[in-house]
Amino acid sequence: QVQMVQSGAEVKKPGASVKVSCKTSGYTFTDYYIHWVRQAPGQGLEWMGWIYPHSGGTKYGQKFQGRVTMTWDTSINTAYMEVNSLISDDTAVYYCVRDWSGTLDYWGQGTLVTVSS
Amino acid sequence: QSALNQPRSVSGSPGQSVTISCTGTSSDVGAYNYVSWFQHHPGKAPKPIIYGVNKRPSGVPDRFSGSKSGNTASLTISGLQAEDEADFYCCSHTGDSYVFGTGTKVTVL
Repeated sequence: QVQMVQSGAEVKKPGASVKVSCKTSGYTFTDYYIHWVRQAPGQGLEWMGWIYPHSGGTKYGQKFQGRVTMTWDTSINTAYMEVNSLISDDTAVYYCVRDWSGTLDYWGQGTLVTVSS
Repeated sequence: QSALNQPRSVSGSPGQSVTISCTGTSSDVGAYNYVSWFQHHPGKAPKPIIYGVNKRPSGVPDRFSGSKSGNTASLTISGLQAEDEADFYCCSHTGDSYVFGTGTKVTVL
């Protein structure tokens, strides 16, 4: 069965960076887009961007361009999402999600990133 | 890309029906038949309950149904049950990205 297993919670200081991993299994990693979505406390879901390992393509939401980098390692079927220059507003639960034909079908369990001095 | 507009909250008694609207634009909801709905319980990952405007993933009860007219999509929950109490989000493809709705809290009275 398809699984998306994310790395554990992180606590970072303002200005630091954080890298969240998403290990996938149960399907061919390179055949599907993987998106990243976040939810800040008390807020809604927010789309951040995607990777497509098959082509090597990436796309970031305008809000995240220049500060977020999405990468992957096909040898271990794992996607990564790194946020630089963290601010308190980046405190959120971050999710990786598989995209199947225009549908976000399988979600990781979420990774809480807390930015605090 | 602005968030799709949903009512902040809706409520109903067990057995009743509730409908949640999701209003976008001709660049997202109105342009693509890739509207999804997610049920989100606190502390858990969002669960897809509708995709492709009106399709249900395996295992989702047929009490959940979706539709779309123009730039507005809708989710109807028929025969409301206590376990339906959660946050619900719509989501639309935009060609090369996704945009989520503002979220609706469903309360079962």
